[in-house]
Amino acid sequence: DARVTQTPRHKVTEMGQEVTMRCQPILGHNTVFWYRQTMMQGLELLAYFRNRAPLDDSGMPKDRFSAEMPDATLATLKIQPSEPRDSAVYFCASGLVLGRALGEQYFGPGTRLTVT
Amino acid sequence: KNQVEQSPQSLIILEGKNCTLQCNYTVNPFSNLRWYKQDTGRGPVSLTIMTFSENTKSNGRYTATLDADTKQSSLHITASQLSDSASYICVVSQGDQAGTALIFGKGTTLSVSS
Repeated sequence: DARVTQTPRHKVTEMGQEVTMRCQPILGHNTVFWYRQTMMQGLELLAYFRNRAPLDDSGMPKDRFSAEMPDATLATLKIQPSEPRDSAVYFCASGLVLGRALGEQYFGPGTRLTVT
Repeated sequence: KNQVEQSPQSLIILEGKNCTLQCNYTVNPFSNLRWYKQDTGRGPVSLTIMTFSENTKSNGRYTATLDADTKQSSLHITASQLSDSASYICVVSQGDQAGTALIFGKGTTLSVSS
């Protein structure tokens, strides 16, 4: 049963520390997304990759967030330095885009980040 | 501005009852509309995907409808169960070149009580 995995599931850190979240997408999917979810804003797209190339990261605060996909089995989202307002649940999702159509999108279980 | 609005924001129903959740959108160009179910503490799970030409799609006790003319969709849950308690998110896919522009609604929180 293929699924998206994320680590860690929970992270508590102090303001100013670096945070790295990892995601393993479903094998064969060519598109990987990073989302942030808060009670106030709902789900927000931070960045996404197609065939490991970043296509859009306009949703990320550029000065502190960075997203990479070093290989087809690993996507990372890094926050440096972290701030209390970054506290949220971060989801990774993957899917297959054929032509201009995205098929089913599969979400990971999320990383709950708390910055104190 | 591309937007997806859902109503009601929250809903409480008794187990066994039916309910209908609404989604209105202003997204151009339209590619498809998705409904997701998100249990507390978990990632969203896809329930249905409907393209422009589809009016109705079912997934077990979940039935989604789409009226592309009025830009409205609904998700009907039949014979609700306690496990249906979750947030239901409507997502509209914009027909962009990359095929990945998804506009998310803020969700409807459904509570099913016994």
